[in-house]
Amino acid sequence: DADVTQTPRNRITKTGKRIMLECSQTKGHDRMYWYRQDPGLGLRLIYYSFDVKDINKGEISDGYSVSRQAQAKFSLSLESAIPNQTALYFCATSEATGVETQYFGPGTRLLVL
Amino acid sequence: QKEVEQNSGPLSVPEGAIASLNCTYSDRGSQSFFWYRQYSGKSPELIMSIYSNGDKEDGRFTAQLNKASQYVSLLIRDSQPSDSATYLCAVIDKAAGNKLTFGGGTRVLVKP
Repeated sequence: DADVTQTPRNRITKTGKRIMLECSQTKGHDRMYWYRQDPGLGLRLIYYSFDVKDINKGEISDGYSVSRQAQAKFSLSLESAIPNQTALYFCATSEATGVETQYFGPGTRLLVL
Repeated sequence: QKEVEQNSGPLSVPEGAIASLNCTYSDRGSQSFFWYRQYSGKSPELIMSIYSNGDKEDGRFTAQLNKASQYVSLLIRDSQPSDSATYLCAVIDKAAGNKLTFGGGTRVLVKP
């Protein structure tokens, strides 16, 4: 089984709808991250969490919220989806050792109509 | 101003040649540097990390770091068609909370 899983893998939604993307990991890592990827822009950090009680905004957090339900679960919500949130979303994890190798989930492709 | 810069490419190289990718970063406090490979539609996977000035070799890959000039490069020797992918440079600044900042990626095409 994959160490970092994301659900759903693909989602089509309409403008104004609230949607949730979920991430689960079996790596036992404390740190989890949500990124979005747009063509030519690399990966941009939305939110990150260094442990269950620690949630931090990334560079593009507006329009998003997160919930760290447990060490293994980190969810990303779009409160009211808009078309420019159409993107590929990745969850990632890392250990809190100072060697910040991040392990990525398979991604969720989101289309907002 | 983007903190991590890469040429978007595509960088086209013949099979068997050396592919040379460059990345520059703006924050002198950056301490850890990574190269990720991403195939189309797939998630990034780490191929190299480097923390000290100089070269680090792993198989056909060599990462080069020059902190004074604020650049990190990746060489792919004996390029294979399976190396065709987008290569993402990423940088960590511990003083900025250990966040990983990515460049936009360089697309590499290896032609048989």
